[in-house]
Amino acid sequence: NAGVTQTPKFQVLKTGQSMTLQCAQDMNHEYMSWYRQDPGMGLRLIHYSVGAGITDQGEVPNGYNVSRSTTEDFPLRLLSAAPSQTSVYFCASSYSAELVAEAFFGQGTRLTVV
Amino acid sequence: RKEVEQDPGPFNVPEGATVAFNCTYSNSASQSFFWYRQDCRKEPKLLMSVYSSGNEDGRFTAQLNRASQYISLLIRDSKLSDSATYLCVVKGYGQNFVFGPGTRLSVLP
Repeated sequence: NAGVTQTPKFQVLKTGQSMTLQCAQDMNHEYMSWYRQDPGMGLRLIHYSVGAGITDQGEVPNGYNVSRSTTEDFPLRLLSAAPSQTSVYFCASSYSAELVAEAFFGQGTRLTVV
Repeated sequence: RKEVEQDPGPFNVPEGATVAFNCTYSNSASQSFFWYRQDCRKEPKLLMSVYSSGNEDGRFTAQLNRASQYISLLIRDSKLSDSATYLCVVKGYGQNFVFGPGTRLSVLP
């Protein structure tokens, strides 16, 4: 019963490096999203997807790209890492953006950019 | 004004105390409401959904006042294991989840 799986759990990057945070869910959820959580800021939406092939920007999309080629996977790409991207990243999924349904979260990725 | 606001906290209460958290939201189109719990350095997990008529789950009671755009969470007989950050979350149909900044609770022995 995996739910939402994120990898890696921890990552240290140098400024300017790129990387992809992986997110997969096995619940056949249409809606998937990425958040970053910083102290005192709460969870802020980076990008989201309402289904395979459909993505859109959230509140803080700059510096990040996403794609949704399958229902299960929703990777987040950091194009050129900056120290301001040091944060905890959470992937979440929900049955549908249209219906009233809870969000399920992955365990998070702690990213440090030096 | 933030879309979802919560008591700033932290709340430090003794075991057995009753504690109440408040949350207000600004988007009147919001249709669903949740309380999530987040333990230190862990992912948020659903504590309970909040229904219009109010609902209870053991020691936890949630209330919703749509007219005032206000949500509350009451925890009775606090346990040490209740120590966590409590997130108020709202969502509208076809809209994204919006999270409050959270209120941290520490239950002291």
